[in-house]
Amino acid sequence: DGGITQSPKYLFRKEGQNVTLSCEQNLNHDAMYWYRQDPGQGLRLIYYSQIVNDFQKGDIAEGYSVSREKKESFPLTVTSAQKNPTAFYLCASSIALSPLRPQSSEQFFGPGTRLTVL
Amino acid sequence: KNQVEQSPQSLIILEGKNCTLQCNYTVSPFSNLRWYKQDTGRGPVSLTIMTFSENTKSNGRYTATLDADTKQSSLHITASQLSDSASYICVVSARTLTGGGNKLTFGTGTQLKVEL
Repeated sequence: DGGITQSPKYLFRKEGQNVTLSCEQNLNHDAMYWYRQDPGQGLRLIYYSQIVNDFQKGDIAEGYSVSREKKESFPLTVTSAQKNPTAFYLCASSIALSPLRPQSSEQFFGPGTRLTVL
Repeated sequence: KNQVEQSPQSLIILEGKNCTLQCNYTVSPFSNLRWYKQDTGRGPVSLTIMTFSENTKSNGRYTATLDADTKQSSLHITASQLSDSASYICVVSARTLTGGGNKLTFGTGTQLKVEL
């Protein structure tokens, strides 16, 4: 899991509640990402950030929000608008993205948070 | 649409045996391909990276191959161990046209179980 921590490991949410998943990294990485993993599917990108105070929507951003106030932190909020939030959520980080540096595509993943809606 | 397909979906082998996992992709423009290992309930960890000009790369008992013409990659595991039991995910990176970034497409993974 390298220098990326996620908390909590397990999270239970009642319908209609917003919950926030924490992601912290001490790798001095510029870029951070949030993915969702469902059984039988590949990881899907929710949001990513290449620099502090800036972030972009991924492929499935609806019902989620993020912030990047510090380089080390990239929290994800799962809002009540997310219709099917039960999943395994993975946070990742990488060095600054560059098509000239293939190694920049290596993402270091945290241990994940399993979110269950009751 | 960029896609990555892996086969088989799952595989059971005896300890000490070899196995080969397959990855076919339709990602363009191609930048590189990685194989990740994901233990149950954990985050994926990178095993190898293959760029366009590389055909074979080894990391201990793991050997990855890449055929950029047919857009296929394989991951060969030699002398399997119980600790190899995990999901192996193929991830292909495409160059983005703007922003200077890399866009990743993940396969669904091959679930490998090594038994005594």
